[in-house]
Amino acid sequence: DAKTTQPPSMDCAEGRAANLPCNHSTISGNEYVYWYRQIHSQGPQYIIHGLKNNETNEMASLIITEDRKSSTLILPHATLRDTAVYYCIVRGTSGTYKYIFGTGTRLKVLA
Amino acid sequence: GAVVSQHPSRVICKSGTSVKIECRSLDFQATTMFWYRQFPKQSLMLMATSNEGSKATYEQGVEKDKFLINHASLTLSTLTVTSAHPEDSSFYICSARDRAQRGNTEAFFGQGTRLTVV
Repeated sequence: DAKTTQPPSMDCAEGRAANLPCNHSTISGNEYVYWYRQIHSQGPQYIIHGLKNNETNEMASLIITEDRKSSTLILPHATLRDTAVYYCIVRGTSGTYKYIFGTGTRLKVLA
Repeated sequence: GAVVSQHPSRVICKSGTSVKIECRSLDFQATTMFWYRQFPKQSLMLMATSNEGSKATYEQGVEKDKFLINHASLTLSTLTVTSAHPEDSSFYICSARDRAQRGNTEAFFGQGTRLTVV
């Protein structure tokens, strides 16, 4: 599975949009981009995933560049409860479907 | 989303004893489950892939005789830490994917088990 690169930490003001970038320059054609977050001492929570089109759900939006080498997770109106470590993972659709976690981005939402 | 439940959420055991952690998919069947370990301020590290009805596949560097995995049914996988030592103290997390879904669907994670070996 492709390796991902994320900034180690980011701050965001409460109520503002949080934009979390992820580089996955070695992604292959059948690999999806998944985003999870982990709040302290809990298991990871699924947020969103996509292949090449932009995706939106009730939690976030996912913007994938046309060449698919990077993506951005957008939390439109960050709240204090969004403070967490956010993981970007690239995974294929065959084989064992295992996730390999990178170091993630520690997002801190400030009041 | 689908629910994956781990039990216990916290356990303290004495050095040299064994501890079993259960991972259950509550509303779906999972042919494959995954076990991760996470040390403080670090990312999740995949330990092994648990396969229903067959042997688990361990990641490089993970001792199969120390971390015994059993996946006896489509809704239950267990991880047994044998002869636990203080360095095994960690946060253990499982995940599972609904086998009825297509290959691009997400996996769901349990809430984790905090193991402390004293």
